Amino acid sequence: AQSVTQLGSHVSVSEGALVLLRCNYSSSVPPYLFWYVQYPNQGLQLLLKYTSAATLVKGINGFEAEFKKSETSFHLTKPSAHMSDAAEYFCAVSDFGNEKLTFGTGTRLTIIP
Amino acid sequence: GAGVSQTPSNKVTEKGKYVELRCDPISGHTALYWYRQSLGQGPEFLIYFQGTGAADDSGLPNDRFFAVRPEGSVSTLKIQRTERGDSAVYLCASSLNRGTGNEQFFGPGTRLTVL
Repeated sequence: AQSVTQLGSHVSVSEGALVLLRCNYSSSVPPYLFWYVQYPNQGLQLLLKYTSAATLVKGINGFEAEFKKSETSFHLTKPSAHMSDAAEYFCAVSDFGNEKLTFGTGTRLTIIP
Repeated sequence: GAGVSQTPSNKVTEKGKYVELRCDPISGHTALYWYRQSLGQGPEFLIYFQGTGAADDSGLPNDRFFAVRPEGSVSTLKIQRTERGDSAVYLCASSLNRGTGNEQFFGPGTRLTVL
């Protein structure tokens, strides 16, 4: 079965600093990988997705993630944090031919002014 | 345009009662998904519809849970004999058509509290 591990349930960074949110997956075949963001009282919003094209994926709001098969990782980064980035971030995976998403437990990002 | 909407936004019920949660997907989206998000956890898959039929209901925890989508648009998640452990946020998502890797658009969720 698919699984996703997000290291760090809470991450705090200073405004303007690098954001790095970690995601590792387990899959026997190359999966599809997603990062979603959840703002308070709002639905999940897709930030970016990897679907076996380029390994470096650029998303909305300046976020990007790199698929590293050798490390089974798909870490999310942003060069310079903004106050508006404070939210909960979820990594998710699905196998080819399988519609459902398997989510990690989430990382709450706090931005320090 | 209108996104996925879910009603009610909050539902408080007593143990043993029956509840229905409604999802209105984005117009034209043929695929519809239900997930459940418990406190401090990521969403967990419950069921997936393609059109009117349930293509994958492997995530439904037991036979107290049932979902329908009779006309291929609106879906209702039904929970019988609710238990305190059913308390969670129930999320609905839709996508334009089937296919792994398609973006799923999520609604704001229904927060169910079973007393």
